[in-house]
Amino acid sequence: AQTIHQWPVAEIKAVGSPLSLGCTIKGKSSPNLYWYWQATGGTLQQLFYSITVGQVESVVQLNLSASRPKDDQFILSTEKLLLSHSGFYLCAWSPGLGGLTLYFGAGTRLSVL
Amino acid sequence: GQQVQQSPASLVLQEGENAELQCNFSTSLNSMQWFYQRPGGSLVSLFYNPSGTKQSGRLTSTTVIKERRSSLHISSSQTTDSGTYLCAMDPQQGTGSKLSFGKGAKLTVSP
Repeated sequence: AQTIHQWPVAEIKAVGSPLSLGCTIKGKSSPNLYWYWQATGGTLQQLFYSITVGQVESVVQLNLSASRPKDDQFILSTEKLLLSHSGFYLCAWSPGLGGLTLYFGAGTRLSVL
Repeated sequence: GQQVQQSPASLVLQEGENAELQCNFSTSLNSMQWFYQRPGGSLVSLFYNPSGTKQSGRLTSTTVIKERRSSLHISSSQTTDSGTYLCAMDPQQGTGSKLSFGKGAKLTVSP
């Protein structure tokens, strides 16, 4: 069975500080990987997706970056947080071939103060 | 503009009542998916439903691609059904890598 693990569960960070969120998928080779963001009370928005190691496509510009250093790992980061980065971050995966059935991690709640 | 319109935005039921949630899409779509968002925020996939009707227990999803709409029916609601239900579409003109989500429908089931 496939499992998806996100870390950390929650973060409280200062404006201007760096951020790194992570996601690991086990039990599935070559998954498509996604980062989603949801502002409090807002709509879920896709930030990035990756279909293979080292290849990441940006969907929404939020002064964030993403990387896929390994087949099973997806990292979301920034060097300088903004207040507007607060919200809920979700990592997801889908099978690499056909269909967009998405499976989500438990999410990371980020508060930028 | 918003590609995915969900209705109602919120719904309050007594336990045992049925719920009908709707999604309408402004563009042609390849497929759509229904999710349940727990109060803590995590999402659970309910249905991947490109077309037709699918049922899982008390939940039934019906998608009519030509009419750009999908519905989620919850029968005999329970308090544990409370939460937010999201629909998402894979647009036909897309690359197959992006889902557009609705704003969600918040369901509250009282005992």
